[in-house]
Amino acid sequence: KNQVEQSPQSLIILEGKNCTLQCNYTVSPFSNLRWYKQDTGRGPVSLTIMTFSENTKSNGRYTATLDADTKQSSLHITASQLSDSASYICVVRHQNNAGNMLTFGGGTRLMVKP
Amino acid sequence: NAGVTQTPKFRVLKTGQSMTLLCAQDMNHEYMYWYRQDPGMGLRLIHYSVGEGTTAKGEVPDGYNVSRLKKQNFLLGLESAAPSQTSVYFCASSYTGTGRSEQYFGPGTRLTVT
Repeated sequence: KNQVEQSPQSLIILEGKNCTLQCNYTVSPFSNLRWYKQDTGRGPVSLTIMTFSENTKSNGRYTATLDADTKQSSLHITASQLSDSASYICVVRHQNNAGNMLTFGGGTRLMVKP
Repeated sequence: NAGVTQTPKFRVLKTGQSMTLLCAQDMNHEYMYWYRQDPGMGLRLIHYSVGEGTTAKGEVPDGYNVSRLKKQNFLLGLESAAPSQTSVYFCASSYTGTGRSEQYFGPGTRLTVT
């Protein structure tokens, strides 16, 4: 069964600290992996996308890594800011009988405190 | 550009009532999607459309109907609402349905069925 598992479910850190969010997937065949940021009461917004051959991708203070062999990805946030408080969702694109599909993780809820 | 907009933002229904959620996009995207998001779970695809006049079932289509009469609009209908349909509903659109094509999400509709 295609699944995307994220950990931790929730995380509280102090402003200025770094953190790393994890994503493990069992999706096959793999096409690409995207991290989304979802602010409370808003829709998800894409942060990064990685394909099979890309193992690191940065977007400002956000750095995503991908290990396609172990089917793991991480999202590292550097020097956290209060505005980083949000849910972070890992999404994997794969193929099935119906064509291209997305499987969403349950998200990690991050709270950055002053 | 407004991007993806959803109407209404909030709604409370009684069991058995019907309603229609409206999604509009101004990016000339071919593909449009309806998802539901429940606490602790990843977004799940209800129905989707690959172009004007077409619709297809997603992962959890039961109890919902959709229509795509105009390219820019995608309607989600609940004919007889049930408490199990209490959720946050997100509409999304994308230029294509494959590869690196990004899905752009609306702000969501919070629906409560009592």
